[in-house]
Amino acid sequence: AQSVAQPEDQVNVAEGNPLTVKCTYSVSGNPYLFWYVQYPNRGLQFLLKYITGDNLVKGSYGFEAEFNKSQTSFHLKKPSALVSDSALYFCAVRVSRLSGTYKYIFGTGTRLKVLA
Amino acid sequence: ETGVTQTPRHLVMGMTNKKSLKCEQHLGHNAMYWYKQSAKKPLELMFVYNFKEQTENNSVPSRFSPECPNSSHLFLHLHTLQPEDSALYLCASSQGASGRQETQYFGPGTRLLVL
Repeated sequence: AQSVAQPEDQVNVAEGNPLTVKCTYSVSGNPYLFWYVQYPNRGLQFLLKYITGDNLVKGSYGFEAEFNKSQTSFHLKKPSALVSDSALYFCAVRVSRLSGTYKYIFGTGTRLKVLA
Repeated sequence: ETGVTQTPRHLVMGMTNKKSLKCEQHLGHNAMYWYKQSAKKPLELMFVYNFKEQTENNSVPSRFSPECPNSSHLFLHLHTLQPEDSALYLCASSQGASGRQETQYFGPGTRLLVL
């Protein structure tokens, strides 16, 4: 079965330190990969995506993610965390279906806490 | 932030009530989606509409009934819900539901509590 895994329910990091939020996937074909962030009482906001090309993708708010095909991973990173980065982060993949349509599969989310 | 709006933001209903959730997108998109977000679970795609036509129903119980009168509006009609239906219901839109227009933009959600 196709799936997306975010192995950590919560990640704590000190302000100013680098952060990594992990995501691995198990899908067939060449997926499109996404990261979304959700702040309290808000919907999901798009951060970045990988479709093809350079494995390192840069997105909003200084975030970046690295696509690793051999490890089927798409970890989210930021060189220096801010307290305002504290939120819930979702990894998602878009996979093609035989019908020609697409399906989005989301991970369970990782709560990031940046400590001052 | 105001690209996709949802009303109401919070809703409490009894199991015998009938209510509707509303979503409106101001982005000129052609595809709209309903998702259910429950704690500790992945987002569950419920319905997809592309150019007002329903293209996906992920085995959603009939007590949830979507309606898409035009590409900008999407409703979710609720009746005889169960307590386990309590969740955050998210609406999203994208330029299309196929091809490369793949980025979805989400509304703030409706927090639903079924008593």
